[in-house]
Amino acid sequence: NAGVMQNPRHLVRRRGQEARLRCSPMKGHSHVYWYRQLPEEGLKFMVYLQKENIIDESGMPKERFSAEFPKEGPSILRIQQVVRGDSAAYFCASSGDRASYNEQFFGPGTRLTVL
Amino acid sequence: RKEVEQDPGPFNVPEGATVAFNCTYSNSASQSFFWYRQDCRKEPKLLMSVYSSGNEDGRFTAQLNRASQYISLLIRDSKLSDSATYLCVVKNYGQNFVFGPGTRLSVLP
Repeated sequence: NAGVMQNPRHLVRRRGQEARLRCSPMKGHSHVYWYRQLPEEGLKFMVYLQKENIIDESGMPKERFSAEFPKEGPSILRIQQVVRGDSAAYFCASSGDRASYNEQFFGPGTRLTVL
Repeated sequence: RKEVEQDPGPFNVPEGATVAFNCTYSNSASQSFFWYRQDCRKEPKLLMSVYSSGNEDGRFTAQLNRASQYISLLIRDSKLSDSATYLCVVKNYGQNFVFGPGTRLSVLP
């Protein structure tokens, strides 16, 4: 039973390019969360999705960032026109039925470097 | 005020010491509570869930005080491998998980 999978593990982009980060939740999990962690800082919540729906995007920057979790396939975090300040580790986590006592499980993260 | 606050740290303790971390949360309707640990440049990993009656897992003991909205983690007989950042996490019903800023622990030989 594979855990949460993220790819790529490392991504290098030049300023102005697009970055696409993918996350496959654990089997049976329908809730996906994206977090950003800047060097030497804590985790910052970005967005919470459930299949085909954005539940909470209060942590997403208003511009250039978008997320989706289609009926089929992984969740995608998309960053358009990247800037140096977007360089960070982006972690995805998944959980099961939110009505029950279910913890989150994290993927290994994608480390984005913007040159 | 942040929704989840933790001891600022860092904590530097010798091997074998007992260390306690404190965490407070502001939402009285919070339902689930967890401690995660995060090693440098790695993903957070669940250390233990925290139950109302308190729970223990080997050298680790977690306590929850709902009246005071306070959570604690006690580590006994610290090992070098316990060095990490410890994250207090609160889940509110129907909402997402809220992470505290973390407390860094360094266990010294």
